[in-house]
Amino acid sequence: GAVVSQHPSWVICKSGTSVKIECRSLDFQATTMFWYRQFPKQSLMLMATSNEGSKATYEQGVEKDKFLINHASLTLSTLTVTSAHPEDSSFYICSARDRREPGNTIYFGEGSWLTVV
Amino acid sequence: GDSVTQMEGPVTLSEEAFLTINCTYTATGYPSLFWYVQYPGEGLQLLLKATKADDKGSNKGFEATYRKETTSFHLEKGSVQVSDSAVYFCALSGLAGGTSYGKLTFGQGTILTVHP
Repeated sequence: GAVVSQHPSWVICKSGTSVKIECRSLDFQATTMFWYRQFPKQSLMLMATSNEGSKATYEQGVEKDKFLINHASLTLSTLTVTSAHPEDSSFYICSARDRREPGNTIYFGEGSWLTVV
Repeated sequence: GDSVTQMEGPVTLSEEAFLTINCTYTATGYPSLFWYVQYPGEGLQLLLKATKADDKGSNKGFEATYRKETTSFHLEKGSVQVSDSAVYFCALSGLAGGTSYGKLTFGQGTILTVHP
């Protein structure tokens, strides 16, 4: 089946620095990808919808300038956490929609654990 | 807006016990419904899905039926195993094939622990 890959799986960064997380669809083109955030022992919350070739659509309460999303190609979306702070430490996970499959199957990446120290 | 409410956990069962995790939803139109599973330290895996009323999704012994009249999508398994211990998320999305499909609203998750 289709695969979505995220990188890195784990990242530790210093407070005030930026970190980039990649989400790739390995064997299908994804015009739309989604970024979620999950705090410990909580559910996943949609942060934004990443649209290939256009600006991302952010959910209410998500800072656009802090969480930069770029979807420059049909197989890659990136999430950059700018000027990271300890409260940004979380599990970030992406998903992509495979329009080829019946029902437009949604595939998730493995997720990325971000720790800001 | 759309919302998903799951049975609060954690749920602790003995091996071979019957499992039910309740899930109800609020949504406009005809959403697609999903159950995802998250094993410790891993990402999300699709367990099963249903895209229209009365559809039954099934996988690995788990089942859930899309009940529009009760706006529910309860997860069941007849005989759980230790390896089923994980966090289970109920979720909904827009109509399959529609523009909002893939934008998931998740329930709060239910932790399942199965003892030998």
